[in-house]
Amino acid sequence: NAGVTQTPKFQVLKTGQSMTLQCAQDMNHNSMYWYRQDPGMGLRLIYYSASEGTTDKGEVPNGYNVSRLNKREFSLRLESAAPSQTSVYFCASSAGTGDPYEQYFGPGTRLTVT
Amino acid sequence: DQQVKQNSPSLSVQEGRISILNCDYTNSMFDYFLWYKKYPAEGPTFLISISSIKDKNEDGRFTVFLNKSAKHLSLHIVPSQPGDSAVYFCAASRPARQLTFGSGTQLTVLP
Repeated sequence: NAGVTQTPKFQVLKTGQSMTLQCAQDMNHNSMYWYRQDPGMGLRLIYYSASEGTTDKGEVPNGYNVSRLNKREFSLRLESAAPSQTSVYFCASSAGTGDPYEQYFGPGTRLTVT
Repeated sequence: DQQVKQNSPSLSVQEGRISILNCDYTNSMFDYFLWYKKYPAEGPTFLISISSIKDKNEDGRFTVFLNKSAKHLSLHIVPSQPGDSAVYFCAASRPARQLTFGSGTQLTVLP
């Protein structure tokens, strides 16, 4: 039981390049999330998927797209990377959305855009 | 506009003593509060939560207190251990809404 897994762990991109961050969970959770963590800012929600087949914007969605591929997988795509997207990205999942469902986090992807 | 605030970026405590981490919120619609712990190079892990219908919740060495009138919650760790050294995030949610996180407090427990 791996929980939430993310690939890659590290990535360096040049400005304008694109990439997809992958996330998978094996807990049969309905809801999945993408966050970014920046120094002094805590975790900010980028996009979430309350259930398979649905996605919604979070607090900071600009410059990102997501795909809920199936119940297990939720990917985050940067179409044209910018230095402002340098951050640590966390994927999370929960049994349901809203309270009282705790979210379980993956180990993160550290992305640097030069 | 930060709806969940952790005003202390860091806290140092001696091993065996009490650690008190604080969190303030501004949105009175929040009805569920959580604390997460994060070690370097790992994702946050859930620690303890409290519903707004309660004012205290305990789990072993960890106790969370909620003061709704002051819009304030705190996490008490007694006794503190070196393995508790981590960044602690508080988070809040309201029905059918997503979590809002604070900026975190780095706790260092000195041996």
